[in-house]
Order: sequence, then C-alpha cells, then structure tokens
Amino acid sequence: GAGVSQSPSNKVTEKGKDVELRCDPISGHTALYWYRQSLGQGLEFLIYFQGNSAPDKSGLPSDRFSAERTGGSVSTLTIQRTQQEDSAVYLCASSLGGLRGQPQHFGDGTRLSIL
Amino acid sequence: AQTVTQSQPEMSVQEAETVTLSCTYDTSESDYYLFWYKQPPSRQMILVIRQEAYKQQNATENRFSVNFQKAAKSFSLKISDSQLGDAAMYFCAYRTTQGGSEKLVFGKGTKLTVNP
Repeated sequence: GAGVSQSPSNKVTEKGKDVELRCDPISGHTALYWYRQSLGQGLEFLIYFQGNSAPDKSGLPSDRFSAERTGGSVSTLTIQRTQQEDSAVYLCASSLGGLRGQPQHFGDGTRLSIL
Repeated sequence: AQTVTQSQPEMSVQEAETVTLSCTYDTSESDYYLFWYKQPPSRQMILVIRQEAYKQQNATENRFSVNFQKAAKSFSLKISDSQLGDAAMYFCAYRTTQGGSEKLVFGKGTKLTVNP
C-alpha cells in the first residue's frame, strides 16, 4: 500500500517568507509526527498528533512554527517569517498509534532551504 | 529526559563481513521500545528492527540482529553478511511515552560504508 507522502520534496524560499509543508499519512494511521533533521542538531521531535486528542507541541522551536491536522488525516506544518536556521529536512511519520510499540513509518521528507 | 548516544560517527565493513553498531541510552522508564532505522541517501527512514524492553530475547530480522543489554542500557545492531545496499546512515531510537505523548528520541547516527 501507499506509504507516507510528503510534499514538496524540495523547497527553496527567501528569508522572511512563509512556507507550508504537507504530509499524507498511511491510511488508517491515527498517530502523526513531525521531526526536523539538521546537520547541527540531528533528528528533533517537533509535534505529535493522536486522533482527536490535543497535539503535543512541546518540540516546536518557536511560535513561528505551527501545525494542524485536518480530519484526522492530512497534516500541514507552517513556518512563518522563515530564518536561515530553519533550513533542514522536515520528516513526517505515522503509526497505528495507541498500540504498544507500533513503529513509526516515515516519508521521504521535505528539504527546506532558506536563502 | 531520555538520551541516546551513538559513539561511532562512521564505520566501514567489507562486503560479506559482519559489523556491529553501538548504541547506549539513558532512561528512568522500565517499559519501552528501541528501534534501529536506516537512512540511505534517498532520505527515507526505513525501520530495520525493534526491541521491546520487557523481552529478554534479542530481536532478529534476517541478517540484522541486536544485542540488548537492559541493565547496561545498551542496544547494539549487528549486520551479518554485509551487502553494498546496507551502506547508509543508521539511527538508534528510543520510544518514549512520558506525559501521555509519544515520540522517538534519536542518536546522532552512524554512517556505514560497505567496501566491495
């Protein structure tokens, strides 16, 4: 079946612009996660959605970052007023959630470059 | 807070040989899961193997196996009969569910090179 789909694959934008990154999870997966992978910081957790519960936003680095998940499926990560330090690969993952030890399945990521 | 340490930034192995990648972690939880993910240049994180902490038996998936030492908080990955396609970054990850949330905490990764 289809895996986790992320778009765009690559995004280049100017400093100060807003960007939206999209994630389509695996059908039937109730849990969705965003991570950021950068050279200096490795892989960092950003946000976690599980069903209709309030998301865990504890990993978002600043109030310029926000995410939503509509209808319990597609998620959008928005970065406002982008800065050069936002350049990274943004990875989305999904899992069956609520079940013990279900692995997270990752998409190919969006490489974001801020000029 | 949980931490994951991979002490080998880079490793190399000859094709058909065996290599072991190290991982240690720190946690106060008693029940948890550990994972190894592989990330080739295509960027996609691919699950290699997972281990449930309450299980004493080491997990095995074909040529991949782990040596899980719970008391020592060690979780190494052994790749047998290495193949050129095994070349990638390997990340050790700890799954935490503290505070009702869920996330993976990753190590910095080990870059594995397979020499023909």
